Amino acid sequence: DAGVTQSPTHLIKTRGQQVTLRCSPKSGHDTVSWYQQALGQGPQFIFQYYEEEERQRGNFPDRFSGHQFPNYSSELNVNALLLGDSALYLCASSSWGTSLQETQYFGPGTRLLVL
Amino acid sequence: AQSVTQPDIHITVSEGASLELRCNYSYGATPYLFWYVQSPGQGLQLLLKYFSGDTLVQGIKGFEAEFKRSQSSFNLRKPSVHWSDAAEYFCAQSSYNTDKLIFGTGTRLQVFP
Repeated sequence: DAGVTQSPTHLIKTRGQQVTLRCSPKSGHDTVSWYQQALGQGPQFIFQYYEEEERQRGNFPDRFSGHQFPNYSSELNVNALLLGDSALYLCASSSWGTSLQETQYFGPGTRLLVL
Repeated sequence: AQSVTQPDIHITVSEGASLELRCNYSYGATPYLFWYVQSPGQGLQLLLKYFSGDTLVQGIKGFEAEFKRSQSSFNLRKPSVHWSDAAEYFCAQSSYNTDKLIFGTGTRLQVFP
């Protein structure tokens, strides 16, 4: 079982550019959540996808968007990058419809640096 | 609004010493509480979780945590720390109607031999 995988591991962009991050959930999971972890901070919830739809959203601007594919993998897109978008982006997967006690599994993250 | 506070930014202990990491939550009803560990270059690994029932929860790697409603706390403990426990520890909560996790700012644990 490969667990949650994310790509790329590191990324450098300049202000104003757009970026796409990718996540493959753990086998058997159908729900993907994205978190942003700024340096020295705890992760902050961006949004969650299930059945190819955004189900929940945190307090992030519309520059942050996502997508989920039929195979349950997901993308996080960030437009018009700002310096403050530099962070570790974490993906978590889980099974929708199971008890809330179901554990979410996190990937290793993608570290984004915006110059 | 829900929030999680980890008062200690950085803790240093000697190998073999006991450990307690503090966590306070803010939520009216009974929250779902978690402790995660993050090693450099790694994702978050779940140590333990509390939803209901016994207020003392056992986790992996010899960790335990105690839920105290009267103090709105969920402190993580380990009786004897190993050098490999050096990492960043995050307390988190969610609620009954969402699995969105709200994290504290983390406590960095350093272990001296």
